[in-house]
Amino acid sequence: NAGVTQTPKFQVLKTGQSMTLQCAQDMNHNSMYWYRQDPGMGLRLIYYSASEGTTDKGEVPNGYNVSRLNKREFSLRLESAAPSQTSVYFCASSESLGNLNEQFFGPGTRLTVL
Amino acid sequence: GNSVTQMEGPVTLSEEAFLTINCTYTATGYPSLFWYVQYPGEGLQLLLKATKADDKGSNKGFEATYRKETTSFHLEKGSVQVSDSAVYFCALTSTGGGNKLTFGTGTQLKVEL
Repeated sequence: NAGVTQTPKFQVLKTGQSMTLQCAQDMNHNSMYWYRQDPGMGLRLIYYSASEGTTDKGEVPNGYNVSRLNKREFSLRLESAAPSQTSVYFCASSESLGNLNEQFFGPGTRLTVL
Repeated sequence: GNSVTQMEGPVTLSEEAFLTINCTYTATGYPSLFWYVQYPGEGLQLLLKATKADDKGSNKGFEATYRKETTSFHLEKGSVQVSDSAVYFCALTSTGGGNKLTFGTGTQLKVEL
């Protein structure tokens, strides 16, 4: 079991460029999440997907879009990157949205926008 | 809204020292409380959790007790090791809030020989 995998590990973009961060899980989980981690701010939820075919906004969704491609995969897209989106991005998954379900995290993608 | 406040780091300790990392929270209803750990270059891993008042979560020698009267969930370990060096995050999910975690800012722990 690989758990939660993310690609790429590192990325440098110029302002205005677009890119998609990929996330996949092999635990047959229903729910998936995207977070960003910034110094001094902990992790903040960008978007989440309760189950295949559904997505909802989290705390900081502006500038991002997501796609729940199938049960395994949940991608995060930056249409026009801005320096404020420089961050470390983590994908996570859990069995469901029940608030006692452990979330399993991927290793992260470090994104720099110049 | 929900919020979690942690003590600022870095916390630097000698091996076998006693560890306390303070965490207090603000939440509606009856939140569940978590400690996550992030080792260098890795994602977060659940360390322990507590789901109701007076519950004690424990794992790998770490403990934390859910104190509703003081809205706290302090992390403790009696004897730290170099391998415990990591960033520790306190977090909560609130009743009816689905599984959306609210995190503290994280506390870096460095353990030296």
